[in-house]
Amino acid sequence: SQQGEEDPQALSIQEGENATMNCSYKTSINNLQWYRQNSGRGLVHLILIRSNEREKHSGRLRVTLDTSKKSSSLLITASRAADTASYFCATQYSGGGADGLTFGKGTHLIIQP
Amino acid sequence: AAGVIQSPRHLIKEKRETATLKCYPIPRHDTVYWYQQGPGQDPQFLISFYEKMQSDKGSIPDRFSAQQFSDYHSELNMSSLELGDSALYFCASSLVPNYNEQFFGPGTRLTVL
Repeated sequence: SQQGEEDPQALSIQEGENATMNCSYKTSINNLQWYRQNSGRGLVHLILIRSNEREKHSGRLRVTLDTSKKSSSLLITASRAADTASYFCATQYSGGGADGLTFGKGTHLIIQP
Repeated sequence: AAGVIQSPRHLIKEKRETATLKCYPIPRHDTVYWYQQGPGQDPQFLISFYEKMQSDKGSIPDRFSAQQFSDYHSELNMSSLELGDSALYFCASSLVPNYNEQFFGPGTRLTVL
C-alpha cells in the first residue's frame, strides 16, 4: 500500500498569513483527501481531490494534485487561530471495494494570534 | 445532521483482557471502516465492511476481529490485550464504498494497563 508523507511536520505562522502543507505518496491512487484533527479528537474531512483533477477549492482551502510527481499541497489562506490543528493527507488506492485510507504523518499547524 | 456514533468513548482494560468497541454509522451508510491511532501517530487502517461483508483488510492483528451486523452497525473485538493496543480507535462510514468521503466518529480511547 502507498504511504503519504507530509512536510513540514510542524508549522507555526501568524494569524492572517497563508499556510502551505505538502504531501507525497508512492503508488497510483484514485483520490487524495485532506483531514483536520484537533488534539485527541476525531478527524474532520476537508476536501477530496480525484486523480483526474489538478486543483480544487473549498472556502479558504486550495488543494493541488500532481500525479506525475505523486504529490499534493494544501493551502489555507488568511489563517485563523481556530485553524490550529493537525492536518493529514490520506490516499485511497485504485483497488476497488471499500478501500481503507492510507494516512500521512501529518503536519501540526499552530496559528499565533 | 446525524454523525457516526462510537461507544464507549473511553475504556480501561488490563493486559490479557478483552474489549469490544461499537460503531453506529450515519443512517443509510452501508460501509464501515476501523482505524487505530497510537499516541502521536497517524491513523492506521484496520478493516472495512460493505453490506455486512469484509471488504478490505489493513494492519489488523490476528487478536482482533470485527463484523458488521444487519442494521449496519459494527463491532471490533479485541482479545489478549497488550499495552501497545492503547490507542484511539476510530470508526468511519460512507454511503457507497468506492472512493468517497469517509465520515469519522469521535473515537474510543482504549487504555490498557
